[in-house]
Amino acid sequence: AQKVTQAQTEISVVEKEDVTLDCVYETRDTTYYLFWYKQPPSGELVFLIRRNSFDEQNEISGRYSWNFQKSTSSFNFTITASQVVDSAVYFCALSEPHSSASKIIFGSGTRLSIRP
Amino acid sequence: IAGITQAPTSQILAAGRRMTLRCTQDMRHNAMYWYRQDLGLGLRLIHYSNTAGTTGKGEVPDGYSVSRANTDDFPLTLASAVPSQTSVYFCASSESGGEDTQYFGPGTRLTVL
Repeated sequence: AQKVTQAQTEISVVEKEDVTLDCVYETRDTTYYLFWYKQPPSGELVFLIRRNSFDEQNEISGRYSWNFQKSTSSFNFTITASQVVDSAVYFCALSEPHSSASKIIFGSGTRLSIRP
Repeated sequence: IAGITQAPTSQILAAGRRMTLRCTQDMRHNAMYWYRQDLGLGLRLIHYSNTAGTTGKGEVPDGYSVSRANTDDFPLTLASAVPSQTSVYFCASSESGGEDTQYFGPGTRLTVL
């Protein structure tokens, strides 16, 4: 069965520190997709990244980077030189395109607080 | 382009009342979804629709119904609201089902007393 675990419920760091948000997933499918979403205090859900199971290359977008490791079933998200505006709840998610329910399974989220 | 709109933004409802949450998208996406978000539980899928005219049950469908008469609209109805349905409800859409990225509306905060 699909499962996404974000073991870190809350993280608090001082501005400019680097921070890594962990995501571990479970799936029996060989084809799947992983996502990260950001939910700032305003409440909307903002799409950050989508990665398919055949592409293990790490991705960097500005201060954001993602480390996908199939061997450990992890898709971790690192923010470099964190800023107060990065404060949000971050969700990792998994989809299996061939599953009958055609859905994304979300982790429970990690609340990140960046202190000035 | 508005993307996805939801109405109302928030609502306080007496238990036992009927309520319809509205969701409209202008991206011509085939698939649409309703989630509820509760503290510590992340987002849980209530119902989904892969294309106009079809719907399916998600993880927590009891007490909710949906319809998909056209591509753009995907209303969620609570036939007889109960306090446990107090939550934030998000509508989402994707180009098709499965692996496509889902884009979310701003959410509706519903309180059932």
